[in-house]
Amino acid sequence: QQQVKQSPQSLIVQKGGISIINCAYENTAFDYFPWYQQFPGKGPALLIAIRPDVSEKKEGRFTISFNKSAKQFSLHIMDSQPGDSATYFCAASKADSWGKLQFGAGTQVVVTP
Amino acid sequence: GAGVSQSPSNKVTEKGKDVELRCDPISGHTALYWYRQSLGQGLEFLIYFQGNSAPDKSGLPSDRFSAERTGGSVSTLTIQRTQQEDSAVYLCASSTRTGGGTFGSGTRLTVV
Repeated sequence: QQQVKQSPQSLIVQKGGISIINCAYENTAFDYFPWYQQFPGKGPALLIAIRPDVSEKKEGRFTISFNKSAKQFSLHIMDSQPGDSATYFCAASKADSWGKLQFGAGTQVVVTP
Repeated sequence: GAGVSQSPSNKVTEKGKDVELRCDPISGHTALYWYRQSLGQGLEFLIYFQGNSAPDKSGLPSDRFSAERTGGSVSTLTIQRTQQEDSAVYLCASSTRTGGGTFGSGTRLTVV
C-alpha cells in the first residue's frame, strides 16, 4: 500500500519555465513533508521541507504548497535551469518517528536548454 | 569528512553469501536510518536508530536482514544468505533529532 502518491512520473520543461510536482498522502498522522532531489549515482539530498502548520514555504526558486484538508502538497521549481534536471521525491513521516519516511515514487525532471 | 560515508560503494556477491554494508554517519547526528532503493520498489524504509532507543526494525523485509549501531555512531547492515531480489542500492542517512536527513551515496549491491 503506497502511502504517498506522486505525479507526474516524468516531466520535461524548458529553461526558465515552472516545474510542478504533486503528492498526495493518506495518513493524517503525517506531519513532516520533505522533498528530496537525487542525481544519478548519488543519494537523495534534502531540498526543502514543510510542516502542516503552514500552507507555503519558499526557499530560493523552490516552493512547497501544502493543502492539509486535501492531504496534498506540491513542489514548484521556478525559473527551471538545466542543472535542476534530476529525480525529485516527496516524502512524509510522523512526528514521533520522523526518520521513518514514506517516499513517493519519484518524478524525473528534464530541463531543456 | 562532512558527509555520510558508506562502504563499499559497489558490492557483487554470489547468491547465498552474507554481506555487510557499512555506514559512517555525520558526527553528532543522533539518528541513523537505512533505506533500500530499487527500480521496482522505489525508496523503502528498512530500519531506524534514534539515540539509545530500541531501533525501529519494522521495514526489514525478512529475518535475513539485520543491522546494528555501535557506540551510537557507525552502523552495519547485514544481509545473510543473499538472494537475487536483494540487489538494490542500500542508502544510509543520518540526522539530528529535529529532522532533515543527509543521505550517503549508497552501496550498490548486485547478487549474481
